[in-house]
Amino acid sequence: ETGVTQSPTHLIKTRGQQVTLRCSSQSGHNTVSWYQQALGQGPQFIFQYYREEENGRGNFPPRFSGLQFPNYSSELNVNALELDDSALYLCASSLPGGSSYEQYFGPGTRLTVT
Amino acid sequence: RKEVEQDPGPFNVPEGATVAFNCTYSNSASQSFFWYRQDCRKEPKLLMSVYSSGNEDGRFTAQLNRASQYISLLIRDSKLSDSATYLCVVNMASGSARQLTFGSGTQLTVLP
Repeated sequence: ETGVTQSPTHLIKTRGQQVTLRCSSQSGHNTVSWYQQALGQGPQFIFQYYREEENGRGNFPPRFSGLQFPNYSSELNVNALELDDSALYLCASSLPGGSSYEQYFGPGTRLTVT
Repeated sequence: RKEVEQDPGPFNVPEGATVAFNCTYSNSASQSFFWYRQDCRKEPKLLMSVYSSGNEDGRFTAQLNRASQYISLLIRDSKLSDSATYLCVVNMASGSARQLTFGSGTQLTVLP
């Protein structure tokens, strides 16, 4: 069974630029969630994708957008980068529904905005 | 008020000690509960789910009190390898999505 993978592992961008982060979900998982984790904080929910559609969104501005592909992999796009966007971006995959609803995280992409 | 609140610590304990972490959540509609462990500069990993009846996994015991909206994690006989940040996590429905809401984490260091 293949776990969740993310690319790239590290990225440095300049304020105002755009970035695309990628995630491949765990085998058999069709739901992908993205989280932002600032230093010293817990992960914050950005949005979730299920069957190629956004299925829920946290308190993030529209410049955070995403896609899910037929193979369940996903992208997170961030436009007009700001310094506060510097964080670890985590992708998590899961199966929908179920009472326990466990999510499995990839290793993350560490984004630095200068 | 944060949706999930934890004591940030740090907790520094000797090997073999028993340590307890507490967590409260604000949304009474929360549906499921977890403890995740996160090592430095790594991704969170599921430690255990938390059930209303309480549950145990080796040295780890989790408790849930829905009436008080309170979750706990007890670690007995601490090992050096238990050093990590422990994240209290609540699963809430957001429309059709199930989103995880994380506390800020409690940092544990087990000392030799």
